[in-house]
Amino acid sequence: QVQLAQSGAEVKKPGASVKVSCKASGYTFTDYSIHWVRQAPGQGLEWMGWINPDSGGARYAQKFQGWATLSRDTSSRTAYMEVNRLGSDDTAVYYCARDHCRGGVCYTMDVWGQGTTITVSS
Amino acid sequence: DIQMTQSPSSLSASVGDRVTITCRASQNIDFYLNWYQQKPGTAPKFLINTASTLQSGVPSRFSGSGSGTEFTLTISSLQPEDFATYYCQQTYSHFVTFGQGTKVEIK
Repeated sequence: QVQLAQSGAEVKKPGASVKVSCKASGYTFTDYSIHWVRQAPGQGLEWMGWINPDSGGARYAQKFQGWATLSRDTSSRTAYMEVNRLGSDDTAVYYCARDHCRGGVCYTMDVWGQGTTITVSS
Repeated sequence: DIQMTQSPSSLSASVGDRVTITCRASQNIDFYLNWYQQKPGTAPKFLINTASTLQSGVPSRFSGSGSGTEFTLTISSLQPEDFATYYCQQTYSHFVTFGQGTKVEIK
């Protein structure tokens, strides 16, 4: 079945970087865009951006432009989200999610990864 | 960005109750509105898209309606597995935004 499997939890110090992976299975990886969404403890969902695994093109929410970098490796069917200069307010669960629409992007997220907890603490 | 406001922020209900959650958009979004369900410690689950289209496998007690700026999610007869937080999401703008969530708790 369609699945997205994310990398494990990480603890980082303020100012560090982190790269989260999201491995796809059960469908053609290059047919569907991948979104990234974060959720701070006890808070709601915040969309970060999306990447087209076929072209590698990405689009970011304004807040994350220049701070987050989305990439992919088609040979391993894996999408990546890297963020730099982490601060304590970046402590959150980071999710990848597949776009619902094949061959395009409709911003509807139909399959989600299990989430990766990033804790930023000195 | 388009702001999405859900009401109430939380509610208490009993099994068998009819529950309605409202989502309002800060501008017209036509029918570009999705609903997700999230249980504690788990990822969101996609329930409804384009305001009223139920996803495969979602029980028929869930329904969505609305267009423009006001939308509702209705659970016709609340079941124990429905206690969760529900989020609306607009996809009218290419910079998608979510509502703040509505937590449905057991009365």
